[in-house]
Amino acid sequence: KQEVTQIPAALSVPEGENLVLNCSFTDSAIYNLQWFRQDPGKGLTSLLLIQSSQREQTSGRLNASLDKSSGRSTLYIAASQPGDSATYLCAVWRGANSKLTFGKGITLSVRP
Amino acid sequence: GAGVSQSPRYKVAKRGQDVALRCDPISGHVSLFWYQQALGQGPEFLTYFQNEAQLDKSGLPSDRFFAERPEGSVSTLKIQRTQQEDSAVYLCASSLQRGYEQYFGPGTRLTVT
Repeated sequence: KQEVTQIPAALSVPEGENLVLNCSFTDSAIYNLQWFRQDPGKGLTSLLLIQSSQREQTSGRLNASLDKSSGRSTLYIAASQPGDSATYLCAVWRGANSKLTFGKGITLSVRP
Repeated sequence: GAGVSQSPRYKVAKRGQDVALRCDPISGHVSLFWYQQALGQGPEFLTYFQNEAQLDKSGLPSDRFFAERPEGSVSTLKIQRTQQEDSAVYLCASSLQRGYEQYFGPGTRLTVT
């Protein structure tokens, strides 16, 4: 059974810092990996999707990498801003037909 | 265009009541998923539709949970005889086709008292 782990559960940083959020998964036979953002009381917003054949994806200040062999993905946020404060979840797909398996998320607080 | 919408946004039910939660996917999206998110946890898969066909319901926690998508667009998740452990946020997601990026709705927060 696929398990997805995100550590730490919470992180607080001052504005302007570059930071890395980690995600690990137990089964390297994944189809895709997706990073989401969730604001309190809201649904999930997709940030980046990395296909299994890719090693990284970039969108603005966000960069996500994928290392299937080691079962790891990282989300890099450059020059963090208070508006980045949210919970960040990673999720993996086992196959094209399969559901997403989520981690518990990392709650990020960026202090002004 | 409009995103995924869900209604109601909040629902309070007394234990034993039946509830129905609605999901309107993005127009033209073939795949539709339901997830359950408990407080402080990541979403957990419940069920998956490809058009009107329910292809995977392995995540439904009991036979009190039932989902349908009769015309391949709007979907309803029904919970019969609600229990306190059913309290959670129920999220719906849709994607253009299987294997494509999933887009989530705002969720329905169900509280069973």
